[in-house]
Amino acid sequence: DTEVTQTPKHLVMGMTNKKSLKCEQHMGHRAMYWYKQKAKKPPELMFVYSYEKLSINESVPSRFSPECPNSSLLNLHLHALQPEDSALYLCASSQATNPTSSYEQYFGPGTRLTVT
Amino acid sequence: GQSLEQPSEVTAVEGAIVQINCTYQTSGFYGLSWYQQHDGGAPTFLSYNALDGLEETGRFSSFLSRSDSYGYLLLQELQMKDSASYFCAVKGAAGNKLTFGGGTRVLVKP
Repeated sequence: DTEVTQTPKHLVMGMTNKKSLKCEQHMGHRAMYWYKQKAKKPPELMFVYSYEKLSINESVPSRFSPECPNSSLLNLHLHALQPEDSALYLCASSQATNPTSSYEQYFGPGTRLTVT
Repeated sequence: GQSLEQPSEVTAVEGAIVQINCTYQTSGFYGLSWYQQHDGGAPTFLSYNALDGLEETGRFSSFLSRSDSYGYLLLQELQMKDSASYFCAVKGAAGNKLTFGGGTRVLVKP
């Protein structure tokens, strides 16, 4: 199984709402990632978890809160978002955590988020 | 910091060959990856080069010159299904972090 799943596929939320995005992989990967992608732009890294611990936070605003409950699951909790946060949120995982590895990142299909 | 440059768009006909160049400036370098993304889809891994030279995988090949901070993706025998965006990405000093180029949109015409 080389699949990363994400739920929901689409999400519309108001600026005062609280919602969560979920990501799951069963490949035994020990690194998991959250990316944000705007239309016609490349994915931008938000967070990296390595062995269930947060290893990289790309200065993401605190209205985005990641959580890694176990090695297969990754959540992104959303609170008080702004309209400019509307984007495709991609989850990815990779087998290795060391920088010299060539292991690819497997991406999920993404959650398309609209903030109204 | 990291910066990568690649052309924004390339158009070619079926059966043709397309080369997408990528130049990078990084504070550390472990390797150059290439990803394909169809409209509405997720990025999928195509290739990874850590050392200088050419890596071939079917119709796609990727090249790296570390001394020139340059790489390219070669798409041969283009098919309509190859219409997509192609991103180069650098794995730099921060370990697992991938920094993506702006992407090259490839349009294949009949």
